[in-house]
Amino acid sequence: AQSVTQPDIHITVSEGASLELRCNYSYGATPYLFWYVQSPGQGLQLLLKYFSGDTLVQGIKGFEAEFKRSQSSFNLRKPSVHWSDAAEYFCVFGATNKLIFGTGTLLAVQP
Amino acid sequence: NAGVTQTPKFRILKIGQSMTLQCTQDMNHNYMYWYRQDPGMGLKLIYYSVGAGITDKGEVPNGYNVSRSTTEDFPLRLELAAPSQTSVYFCASSPLGGEYEKLFFGSGTQLSVL
Repeated sequence: AQSVTQPDIHITVSEGASLELRCNYSYGATPYLFWYVQSPGQGLQLLLKYFSGDTLVQGIKGFEAEFKRSQSSFNLRKPSVHWSDAAEYFCVFGATNKLIFGTGTLLAVQP
Repeated sequence: NAGVTQTPKFRILKIGQSMTLQCTQDMNHNYMYWYRQDPGMGLKLIYYSVGAGITDKGEVPNGYNVSRSTTEDFPLRLELAAPSQTSVYFCASSPLGGEYEKLFFGSGTQLSVL
């Protein structure tokens, strides 16, 4: 069955530190993968997407993600976190006619 | 502004009451979706529609109904509200089913059933 797992429910990092949010998927073929961000009380914003090709994808706000087929992973990274990055992040799998969401990782940023 | 508009933004219902969550998009998208988001969880698909007159169930359809009489509108109906339906509801649309990079979300409706 198709599924997405985000093993970290909550992460706290210091402002300026690097960030990596983990995502693992379960699917037999090449998946469509996304990272969305949801700021408090807001809707969802697409950060980046992977369909095929280059396994390192760049997104908005300085985020990037790397697709690793051998590890069934699509981890999100940012070299230097800003206080405005505090939000909930969802790894999402694109299935036929629907998106399958991970449970999310809540990011807190310490000054 | 073009996009997906949801109304209302907030609503409190009593158990057993009914209501309709409205969703309208002005981008002429064929596909529309309703998701619910429970605290600490990702979004779960309730229903989706691939075009006017065509709807199908998602992962969690029980307790809900939908209709799609026009391309623009995709209302979600709760007939007998239950506390388990307390959630944030998101409507979304896309031109076609696989065009996820063109997926637009509404700003959500926060529903409490007491």
